[in-house]
Parts: sequence; structure tokens; C-alpha cells
Amino acid sequence: GQNIDQPTEMTATEGAIVQINCTYQTSGFNGLFWYQQHAGEAPTFLSYNVLDGLEEKGRFSSFLSRSKGYSYLLLKELQMKDSASYLCAVREAGGFKTIFGAGTRLFVKA
Amino acid sequence: SAVISQKPSRDICQRGTSLTIQCQVDSQVTMMFWYRQQPGQSLTLIATANQGSEATYESGFVIDKFPISRPNLTFSTLTVSNMSPEDSSIYLCSVVQGNTEAFFGQGTRLTVV
Repeated sequence: GQNIDQPTEMTATEGAIVQINCTYQTSGFNGLFWYQQHAGEAPTFLSYNVLDGLEEKGRFSSFLSRSKGYSYLLLKELQMKDSASYLCAVREAGGFKTIFGAGTRLFVKA
Repeated sequence: SAVISQKPSRDICQRGTSLTIQCQVDSQVTMMFWYRQQPGQSLTLIATANQGSEATYESGFVIDKFPISRPNLTFSTLTVSNMSPEDSSIYLCSVVQGNTEAFFGQGTRLTVV
């Protein structure tokens, strides 16, 4: 079966660091993605992990542990504009089909 | 990155009618997908649009309700047939180039009354 779990909501303070966790159980694995989605807009790509370890891209970092079926997205130096939904998504093995988690709605407060 | 033009951006339709959504990409892409996003929820995959052959549908979605065409590597359509209020949702076209991340169209916000 397919199951992707992430927290429903999180709140953090401007300038702080927040970690959004994602656990998954899918039919095979060919990479994990994080997307950002502002209300009323399409998702935009943030990161891609296919091997274990940490990928850093500016204020955003993403970590993957395939043996644990676990990933997290780390956002540093939070800004108000980071208030959005963050979607964890897994690409299944053998193709390009991507399954999305329910998303984590992040609220950044002043 | 691929540039995707999805039309219409929004529509209000009467129940029992059908709406066809178009997705045009500015370059040839490996894969095209159609997703649905109901209010406050995440993306649910409807089907994979296969070039030159019938689409591959996910569990809970059938061709009679959501016929899909993909005549070439840059264009696809999704039709929502015999609509009911439960079909009110955002429909998103997604493409993959090579083995990279997926890019999304801006979505079609459908309201069925």
C-alpha cells in the first residue's frame, strides 16, 4: 500500500528554524520531493532526495533516510512569506508516478 | 523548466454537463499527469496521460468519468463528464522532463452548481 504521513499544521516564529517531518510507506521508491504551495497557487518544487543524507539549498534543506522511510524539510531564518503548505511526495519505482502526502500547513508569525 | 499553460483557469458549470481542460507545454515532456486537489486537501493522482494510447487511471477514477487525451508529447486534455457538485475541485496538469521534478500548471478551479 501507499501511505505518506506529515503533520497537519505547524506554527513558527519569524527568524526561527522549523523542521517538517514526513514518513512514508510506498510501493517501491524512486525519490522523495518537497513542494511548497501557497493558497490558490500551484505547487512549486523545493527539493529532491534519492540517496540518504542531507541536501542543502539556501535556507531550505531536506534529509532522507530510506531505511527508515523518513524525510524532513528544514527551513531556516523563517520569513513571513514562508507561510504556505509543504507537500511531501514520493516517486514510485519503475516510473514517474508521484504520490503526495496531505501537506503541512505552516504559519509563520511575527 | 517546462512552461505549462492550462486552460481554463476557472469555470462554473451546471450539473450534468462536461468540461474539457487543456494542458499545453512549451517543450516535449516525458510524462504528463492529471491531479485533483479538493478544498483544503493535498493532490490526488487521477491518471497518467499516455501519448498515443489510453490513459492509466488510479483506483477510484474511470475513463467514462474522466476521459483523457494525449495526441502528442506537448498536449493533453482532461474531461470531467456528467458533473456533480462533488466534482468541484482544482484540477492540475503536471509534467516530468527526463528524471526531474514535476512541474505544475496553474490549475483549473471548477465549481459545479
